[in-house]
Amino acid sequence: DAGVTQSPTHLIKTRGQQVTLRCSPISGHKSVSWYQQVLGQGPQFIFQYYEKEERGRGNFPDRFSARQFPNYSSELNVNALLLGDSALYLCASSLTRTGFIHEQYFGPGTRLTVT
Amino acid sequence: RKEVEQDPGPFNVPEGATVAFNCTYSNSASQSFFWYRQDCRKEPKLLMSVYSSGNEDGRFTAQLNRASQYISLLIRDSKLSDSATYLCVVNRDYGGSQGNLIFGKGTKLSVKP
Repeated sequence: DAGVTQSPTHLIKTRGQQVTLRCSPISGHKSVSWYQQVLGQGPQFIFQYYEKEERGRGNFPDRFSARQFPNYSSELNVNALLLGDSALYLCASSLTRTGFIHEQYFGPGTRLTVT
Repeated sequence: RKEVEQDPGPFNVPEGATVAFNCTYSNSASQSFFWYRQDCRKEPKLLMSVYSSGNEDGRFTAQLNRASQYISLLIRDSKLSDSATYLCVVNRDYGGSQGNLIFGKGTKLSVKP
């Protein structure tokens, strides 16, 4: 079975531009979460979607938005890019919203460079 | 204070050594605990979930102490292929919000021949 897939793998944008990143979860997984990882740090939570609804939001500005589609794939949008948005953007999927163990499986990430 | 804190590292050990990683978390509402492994420029991969009773998977043993809010990972007989960054992760499920994992900064392990 395919794991979590993300596209594109790499992206170079200039300040002020907008970017859309895409994620397809593992088949059967209904929950998708987005994380930002800057160099030397652990991933930081941005959003979680479950059944096409936002279920959690991290401490990120309104320039960041996301959505989930009926097939459970997801997009992350970032507007008005800043140099500090340069990072690895990770998508993770999990099987279910409820339950004690929330194991999440990560995609390979999209490496965004803002110049 | 960060919500999840780990040994700063890096740890440089010879093959065959036993190495222990320690992690503390500050939010007593944390419910699930994990160790992830991340190779350079790759995504984090789930290594182990951590249970209160402790759990073992081959050379890897994880322990959780809820009273002390402390998590550990022990690697025995370390291999060159164990070289990676180890991330301590907790998850809290507040009503309505399930999926945010809180990561530590990670501890880099280098296993040398």
